[in-house]
Amino acid sequence: DTAVSQTPKYLVTQMGNDKSIKCEQNLGHDTMYWYKQDSKKFLKIMFSYNNKELIINETVPNRFSPKSPDKAHLNLHINSLELGDSAVYFCASSQPGANTEAFFGQGTRLTVV
Amino acid sequence: GEDVEQSLFLSVREGDSSVINCTYTDSSSTYLYWYKQEPGAGLQLLTYIFSNMDMKQDQRLTVLLNKKDKHLSLRIADTQTGDSAIYFCAERSDYKLSFGAGTTVTVRA
Repeated sequence: DTAVSQTPKYLVTQMGNDKSIKCEQNLGHDTMYWYKQDSKKFLKIMFSYNNKELIINETVPNRFSPKSPDKAHLNLHINSLELGDSAVYFCASSQPGANTEAFFGQGTRLTVV
Repeated sequence: GEDVEQSLFLSVREGDSSVINCTYTDSSSTYLYWYKQEPGAGLQLLTYIFSNMDMKQDQRLTVLLNKKDKHLSLRIADTQTGDSAIYFCAERSDYKLSFGAGTTVTVRA
C-alpha cells in the first residue's frame, strides 16, 4: 500500500489555467507538507499543516491555496498558473516533532506552457 | 536551502567509499537527516542522527557529526552503481525539514 500518494504524477497545462494536485496519506500522521523542487533540484517547503491547521506558509504567492479537508488529505490548488510554477511538487507527512520520519510522495511534475 | 549547504557533485569509482559533506546553521537542530532521491522518484530516508551523537553506523552508511563546526557527513562504503542518486542533508524542526541543495553522486565503473 502506498503511504503517501499524489495525483496526478504528470500535469501539463497552459499559462493562466487553474489546477489542483491531490495528496493522501494512510499513515495516520497529523502533519502534512508541500514542497517544491525546482529545475536545479532545490527543495523548498511551501506549506505545513498539523491537524488540518496551517502551521507554515513560506511566502508562497496567494495563487497557491492548500486545502486540508481532513488529516489524511492535503490538496494544493494553483490559480492563474505561470511559467515559473513549472517544478516537481512533493507532498509529505509525518507526526509532529523533530525526531519523526517524514514520508514523501512520488512527486507531481507540473509543466506550464 | 539557504541554511544548509552541500557540495553539488561527487564522482566515485565503484567499490570505493563516497563521502558527502554538509554544513548547517541552526545550532538548535536536534535531528539531522540524510535523504536519497533516485531519478524520477521521491525522497527516501537513509538515516538520521541525533545531535548528542558523534557517529552513527548503519550497514554501509556512516554518519559523522561535528556539532561545534555544524558539519555533517555521510560516508557510503563500497559504493555501488545503485548508489547513484542525489543525496540531501536536512535539518529538522517540528513542522519543517530544511534541505541542502543536494549532492549528485555518480558512480563510474
